[in-house]
Amino acid sequence: DIQLTQSPSFLSASVGDRVTITCRASQGISSYLAWYQQKPGKAPKLLISAASTLQSGVPSRFSGSGSRTEFTLTISSLQPEDFATYYCQQLNSFPWTFGQGTKVEIK
Amino acid sequence: QAQLVESGGGVVQPGRSLRLSCAASGFSFSSHAMHWVRQAPGKGLECVGLISYDGSEKHYADSVKGRFTISRDNSKNTLYLQMNSLRAEDTAMYYCAGEVGAKIIDHWGQGTLVTVSS
Repeated sequence: DIQLTQSPSFLSASVGDRVTITCRASQGISSYLAWYQQKPGKAPKLLISAASTLQSGVPSRFSGSGSRTEFTLTISSLQPEDFATYYCQQLNSFPWTFGQGTKVEIK
Repeated sequence: QAQLVESGGGVVQPGRSLRLSCAASGFSFSSHAMHWVRQAPGKGLECVGLISYDGSEKHYADSVKGRFTISRDNSKNTLYLQMNSLRAEDTAMYYCAGEVGAKIIDHWGQGTLVTVSS
C-alpha cells in the first residue's frame, strides 16, 4: 500500500499567516492527490483534486501543488474558519489511502 | 443539491454482523463510483472500500478484506456495507461518499456510528 506522510502533524498559527502543509508519498502517484478539510463532528470537505485543481466554492486562498511524491497545500492568509484538520489522499492505486492529518490550531 | 444519508449504525458485539445503508439523492447516483470511509474516535480517515458505478469493480482495505462487502442498488439509489465478523477495531464513524467525476470525491454523508463492544 502507498503510505502518505503529512508534515507537520500539528500547526499553531495566527489569523493572516501563510500556512504550508506537506504530503509525501512512499512511491510516485503522478498527480492523483486530493486535499480535504475536516472540522470536529463534520464530514470531510474536498478542497483540491488532482493535486492543484481548486474545487468550486473553495476560497482562492487555498492552493495545491506538487507531483509524483511531494505535494503541498498552502493557505495564503489563514482565516478564522480555516482552523481544522487537513488530510491528503492518494487516488493512484488501490487501496486509496489518507495521510495521518495536520491539525491547524489558533496561536 | 446532492444528499447522502447513512443509516444502520449502532452497538454490536464482537463477531456479529451489521449492514449499513446510504441513501442518495440529488445527483446521478448510478453514474458514479461510491466509497465507504471510516474514522475511529479521535483518529484519522481510512478508506474502507469502493464500488464502481455499475457494481462490477470493488476494492477493499486490507483491514476489512474478506469480512466487509460493498454493494449497491442503482434502482433504489442506495449503497450498502455488509460488515461481518466485527472487531473492536472496527469501531468508527462510517461515511459514505460519492464521486462527482473520475477520482473526485465531493459528496459526503453525515456518517453513522458503529460501536463494537461486548
